[in-house]
Amino acid sequence: EAGVAQSPRYKIIEKRQSVAFWCNPISGHATLYWYQQILGQGPKLLIQFQNNGVVDDSQLPKDRFSAERLKGVDSTLKIQPAKLEDSAVYLCASSFSGRGTEAFFGQGTRLTVV
Amino acid sequence: KQEVTQIPAALSVPEGENLVLNCSFTDSAIYNLQWFRQDPGKGLTSLLLIQSSQREQTSGRLNASLDKSSGRSTLYIAASQPGDSATYLCAVRSAGNMLTFGGGTRLMVKP
Repeated sequence: EAGVAQSPRYKIIEKRQSVAFWCNPISGHATLYWYQQILGQGPKLLIQFQNNGVVDDSQLPKDRFSAERLKGVDSTLKIQPAKLEDSAVYLCASSFSGRGTEAFFGQGTRLTVV
Repeated sequence: KQEVTQIPAALSVPEGENLVLNCSFTDSAIYNLQWFRQDPGKGLTSLLLIQSSQREQTSGRLNASLDKSSGRSTLYIAASQPGDSATYLCAVRSAGNMLTFGGGTRLMVKP
């Protein structure tokens, strides 16, 4: 079974530029999460999708971050414009929608803003 | 709002020691709890999943327990090895399929 795929693995951009990350969840997983993990900290939820609907985006900085999950499968996370403090690893995870299901994570995208 | 805390934040032990990592959460109404391992620069690898109705799960040298009523879980690692060096994260799944993480415990096992 293929795992959660993320691309790119690494990205370096200058502040004020824009960047986009892509995630392909495990087939059949209705729930998709995007997390931001700053070095030395635990992952922080940015947005959670159930199929193509948003369940929670309360911690997403909506003035610069956006995310979509068209057709309830792949998802993209965009930052525009980027700030230095956006340097982090962006993790995508997916799971079935049941209460007792397990979450699976991709390898993450390491973003460096200079 | 669910909050998850992991203690200690960092731990250094000699090879062969048995050790315990702690995870606590504020809202006991959880669906399950998952322990992950994260190697530097890598994604998260799931180690153990404990359902809310279970008390413990075991996989090899790892044993995770759950006391939902007190909001606590422990990850026990037996006979630690240098290859166990990594960051260990716990995450609880609660209402709305929210998955909330603790800050992690950075483990170093010295040969």
